[in-house]
Amino acid sequence: TQLLEQSPQFLSIQEGENLTVYCNSSSVFSSLQWYRQEPGEGPVLLVTVVTGGEVKKLKRLTFQFGDARKDSSLHITAAQPGDTGLYLCAGRTGNQFYFGTGTSLTVIP
Amino acid sequence: KAGVTQTPRYLIKTRGQQVTLSCSPISGHRSVSWYQQTPGQGLQFLFEYFSETQRNKGNFPGRFSGRQFSNSRSEMNVSTLELGDSALYLCASSLAGGATDTQYFGPGTRLTVL
Repeated sequence: TQLLEQSPQFLSIQEGENLTVYCNSSSVFSSLQWYRQEPGEGPVLLVTVVTGGEVKKLKRLTFQFGDARKDSSLHITAAQPGDTGLYLCAGRTGNQFYFGTGTSLTVIP
Repeated sequence: KAGVTQTPRYLIKTRGQQVTLSCSPISGHRSVSWYQQTPGQGLQFLFEYFSETQRNKGNFPGRFSGRQFSNSRSEMNVSTLELGDSALYLCASSLAGGATDTQYFGPGTRLTVL
């Protein structure tokens, strides 16, 4: 059983398009993180959000933590081929992180 | 500053064998966590070690075990390998494993069980 469900599972878009990835759960998390993983490498942390309703911007990436701290979204503006990778959300409850199912993004030049 | 290193990078074993994977954390990091990543189940938490003690454990059978040494290096052992143990095993280190600490992942060990 996955605590965190991500959608969509796969996404293939043209360079310059916008996209949103969703991370949903019925559980409440004390914090939520987003990672990007490229083939042959481990996940790399993009952002941590800790407050319900929090919005963080990282250049073309916008992250939002739901008011109830159960869900999150990642929005990418004007996607570039370098954004290609597996995006993972991870929610912390207690002393453990639970990872989402992942969204595989391909940006076509 | 060197990143998290994992050895070996690739491993092929047969059912029933056992395997030991190694993880060297970033210098100064005392918390090491292990994860299993498979296409079907995604990334799942195995256990976390801090100061040579297992602090947290995920929902895996007792065939999966680990330890941490005084220099914070960690090893993970899987005994009596099963086909379903084929996966990418990732370790991550952080300063103290706190709620706001950043986890830095290694490149993983790709284990194939035949």
